[in-house]
Amino acid sequence: GQQLNQSPQSMFIQEGEDVSMNCTSSSIFNTWLWYKQEPGEGPVLLIALYKAGELTSNGRLTAQFGITRKDSFLNISASIPSDVGIYFCAGRTYNTDKLIFGTGTRLQVFP
Amino acid sequence: EPEVTQTPSHQVTQMGQEVILRCVPISNHLYFYWYRQILGQKVEFLVSFYNNEISEKSEIFDDQFSVERPDGSNFTLKIRSTKLEDSAMYFCASSDKGFAKNIQYFGAGTRLSVL
Repeated sequence: GQQLNQSPQSMFIQEGEDVSMNCTSSSIFNTWLWYKQEPGEGPVLLIALYKAGELTSNGRLTAQFGITRKDSFLNISASIPSDVGIYFCAGRTYNTDKLIFGTGTRLQVFP
Repeated sequence: EPEVTQTPSHQVTQMGQEVILRCVPISNHLYFYWYRQILGQKVEFLVSFYNNEISEKSEIFDDQFSVERPDGSNFTLKIRSTKLEDSAMYFCASSDKGFAKNIQYFGAGTRLSVL
């Protein structure tokens, strides 16, 4: 089946540092979404991407839809303690609503 | 801000028992979903539901599972005879659009513990 591989698996950074994580697949996706999940909560949507090459920002977050449509990355600039959580990419292929989630990147930010 | 509401937050049940997980989607949304997340793993799609019928389901969603929209506001997931491996977080999601511009908003989840 379709799989999304996220890297890195976890990151431990200091407050103020920039963060970069990515998601890759062997399949083509038509939509890429990035979600954040905090303990005991459901995934919260951060950014949605619909077109190959699209670059979208949401505050300190920037995400890009890869040109090949098989990858996406998320950058967080000037990290703060409340950025702590698990970041999931999710992709959707043509003609389906089903989201396929990545394996997640666990982010820890130290003051 | 409108949100997806799930109840209960935690359900403990004995193996073989039936459970019903409840969701109230965002009020003007028409597309509904259930996902599950086994502890420490990624979120997995179970089923999508539109216009009072299942649109798509995964291999996980076998005959033990069913979904229903019993009234205009609730969306339920029933597991007929729970197994130990059904223990997971179950997330409901909803969207106001299908396909191309579909954005799914997730509830906080129900933790199901099967003993």
